[in-house]
Amino acid sequence: NAGVTQTPKFRVLKTGQSMTLLCAQDMNHEYMYWYRQDPGMGLRLIHYSVGEGTTAKGEVPDGYNVSRLKKQNFLLGLESAAPSQTSVYFCASGLVQRHEKLFFGSGTQLSVL
Amino acid sequence: ELKVEQNPLFLSMQEGKNYTIYCNYSTTSDRLYWYRQDPGKSLESLFVLLSNGAVKQEGRLMASLDTKARLSTLHITAAVHDLSATYFCAVDAQGGSEKLVFGKGTKLTVNP
Repeated sequence: NAGVTQTPKFRVLKTGQSMTLLCAQDMNHEYMYWYRQDPGMGLRLIHYSVGEGTTAKGEVPDGYNVSRLKKQNFLLGLESAAPSQTSVYFCASGLVQRHEKLFFGSGTQLSVL
Repeated sequence: ELKVEQNPLFLSMQEGKNYTIYCNYSTTSDRLYWYRQDPGKSLESLFVLLSNGAVKQEGRLMASLDTKARLSTLHITAAVHDLSATYFCAVDAQGGSEKLVFGKGTKLTVNP
């Protein structure tokens, strides 16, 4: 009963460092998403994928890259972290043919100093 | 560009009272979702509304969708402390974009 698993749960970076957040789902979902959540801003879509090998930009894609080499995994990369990227990151996955609902991971708290 | 607005953003209410949270959106859509988030936790799906006039109820929460008015409501009946959480609505941005746009959330506090 894993659902959507995000790693790591917490991370502290220095400005300019790089890191990759991993999202894994075991529900055979086609669609996967990365959101960031900031106080008072709700959730904002960073990038998403509608299937293995595909990616697309969301509302706030700058400074992030993604890859979906395997259907079950969706990776979010920060090449050169900035303090403005301090946030809570959520991965989500959903069913094919329009998401009937999204299943969310537990989140990654990232601080960039 | 799809905009989703919730109000109020903060709501403090007493146990036993009723209240409604509103979710307005700016472009045509017939799919709307409500999620709940407890502090420090992930988001949990509450309701999926898939057509005009759709109404869903679970426990003390009832959600409805009016696609013509581009409005969804989440009604709370006889609130209890356990309902304290942040509630988000999200709208499916149609046209093949496959995006789900969230409102900023309504932080609900139910006081004894």
